[in-house]
Amino acid sequence: GAGVSQSPSNKVTEKGKDVELRCDPISGHTALYWYRQSLGQGLEFLIYFQGNSAPDKSGLPSDRFSAERTGGSVSTLTIQRTQQEDSAVYLCASSLMGGPTGELFFGEGSRLTVL
Amino acid sequence: DAKTTQPNSMESNEEEPVHLPCNHSTISGTDYIHWYRQLPSQGPEYVIHGLTSNVNNRMASLAIAEDRKSSTLILHRATLRDAAVYYCILSYLGGYQKVTFGIGTKLQVIP
Repeated sequence: GAGVSQSPSNKVTEKGKDVELRCDPISGHTALYWYRQSLGQGLEFLIYFQGNSAPDKSGLPSDRFSAERTGGSVSTLTIQRTQQEDSAVYLCASSLMGGPTGELFFGEGSRLTVL
Repeated sequence: DAKTTQPNSMESNEEEPVHLPCNHSTISGTDYIHWYRQLPSQGPEYVIHGLTSNVNNRMASLAIAEDRKSSTLILHRATLRDAAVYYCILSYLGGYQKVTFGIGTKLQVIP
């Protein structure tokens, strides 16, 4: 399909383990966003990429969280030493240009459960 | 960042119009008003956006108050497939970064 693809769709891990979540944006989209949605809550902004650079990392909740984007395409969100409060759905979105009028296209999310 | 305020939930009968309100009293002149909706177990999807003038598209209409401190998303004929959480957000000149989608309005459509 031509939409935003995220993997894995579900991940169950033990507290203290590291996890990697992958986002494959729509081809040609230069802007990429990561959000986190806890149960029954809204979407919390985590990080934004324009091309391969991340001009704003202020939404990352702690230094256990990091993200990178290579080749202006695929992005990986890494959570080190996972904690139970990291359990949430992690959503990725891409946008053609990243400006204020650009439509965000979201993936279906990666549901992370930390036991 | 400018914030938005929405009712937590609303109900509508099927095939009737629905007016979903959003308050954004601290909106700045360069903020765009966007609406997204999230169906169960899916990521949000774009509905509509505007700056000053009312907007129409195939999904909905957006009515923006003259002072831009509030807006209303209008679904002309609610269907069961419109049952979702509707988010009103503001994006500024720099884009969507730091934009947090609040809890939104959960719309229930009654057959």
